[in-house]
Amino acid sequence: DGGITQSPKYLFRKEGQNVTLSCEQNLNHDAMYWYRQDPGQGLRLIYYSQIVNDFQKGDIAEGYSVSREKKESFPLTVTSAQKNPTAFYLCASSSGIFLGEQYFGPGTRLTVT
Amino acid sequence: AQTVTQSQPEMSVQEAETVTLSCTYDTSESDYYLFWYKQPPSRQMILVIRQEAYKQQNATENRFSVNFQKAAKSFSLKISDSQLGDAAMYFCAYKGYGGSQGNLIFGKGTKLSVKP
Repeated sequence: DGGITQSPKYLFRKEGQNVTLSCEQNLNHDAMYWYRQDPGQGLRLIYYSQIVNDFQKGDIAEGYSVSREKKESFPLTVTSAQKNPTAFYLCASSSGIFLGEQYFGPGTRLTVT
Repeated sequence: AQTVTQSQPEMSVQEAETVTLSCTYDTSESDYYLFWYKQPPSRQMILVIRQEAYKQQNATENRFSVNFQKAAKSFSLKISDSQLGDAAMYFCAYKGYGGSQGNLIFGKGTKLSVKP
């Protein structure tokens, strides 16, 4: 089945530690995105990537980093510089950034204490 | 900058009845997409319906339809014959054709409850 996988579903970290969230897609999509969702809020864009080896900052990129070494994979690292990292993180992909709908993975709930 | 507003934080509907969720948006672009996404308790974002702004005909997907009023910048979602499985958060989202990001701009969502 084609789709987007994110792992793990729940992640717990101590403050001051970096943590990497996984996102893999087998839809052959060029574009991939990371969003953050906080309670009572819509989704906000962290980073996006149009093609392999290219990525751009979104609206709330501070304290996060990404890589895009393979078309299928777009991991997100939450660094210790992110002031409020506890949130729900969603990965998405689309055929291209100027093409319609985005398809989402199941998300990762990150809790930092 | 584009914005999306959902003015109803919560809505409730009786099973088998019809409910309409509201969404307004602000943009200076003439071409764009609009979407409704559903987020059930599992938190997976599921695409419900999409509308291209250049199309005058309102999109329909089974029990889900939209009322797209381009001049008023309004994009409401109508759910007919509501089912218990429709209970979820519903997000309205905007995406411009051009621009450098191509990301979705979301409203804050409407929580829909379905009463048996």
